Amino acid sequence: NAGVTQTPKFRVLKTGQSMTLLCAQDMNHEYMYWYRQDPGMGLRLIHYSVGEGTTAKGEVPDGYNVSRLKKQNFLLGLESAAPSQTSVYFCASSYIWGEQFFGPGTRLTVL
Amino acid sequence: DAKTTQPNSMESNEEEPVHLPCNHSTISGTDYIHWYRQLPSQGPEYVIHGLTSNVNNRMASLAIAEDRKSSTLILHRATLRDAAVYYCILEKGGGADGLTFGKGTHLIIQP
Repeated sequence: NAGVTQTPKFRVLKTGQSMTLLCAQDMNHEYMYWYRQDPGMGLRLIHYSVGEGTTAKGEVPDGYNVSRLKKQNFLLGLESAAPSQTSVYFCASSYIWGEQFFGPGTRLTVL
Repeated sequence: DAKTTQPNSMESNEEEPVHLPCNHSTISGTDYIHWYRQLPSQGPEYVIHGLTSNVNNRMASLAIAEDRKSSTLILHRATLRDAAVYYCILEKGGGADGLTFGKGTHLIIQP
């Protein structure tokens, strides 16, 4: 099992550009999450999904959109990137409740 | 949401036990106590969780105070690979709305 994978690993954007981060899990988990982590801080929840076709807002959802068209994939979109969105993005998944499995992260820089 | 308080950093010697404290004085009856750790440049990793009783697994032990207002993560024999940031997190049982990470405790292991 690959577990939770994230694509890409690194990305540099210019202000105003758009991009999509892909998260994939092969554990048949129902729940998936997107977090961001700024330097020296803990993770903060952006959006989450409790099943295919569902999404919900987390603590810091502004500037991001998500989609869960397939159970194994959870996409995070930035429509118009801003320097404040420079961060490391982590995806996680869990069966229903309990232990969350995290991906390796995507390091995003917005210039 | 109930909050946790952890020391910013702790230092220990290799092959000695480590006791990482966490205060959660406003914990509710349905809150589970989770511990995750984050090694440098990696995503968080689940360590252990519990509700009322002490818990053991292959990685660590979790000691929960009788009044549940504090808990202690115990690493029985620290290795250099245990150097990480350790997060104590409260999560409502059955909840799906993600984890709330604080700044955690930066554990330094001296050889």
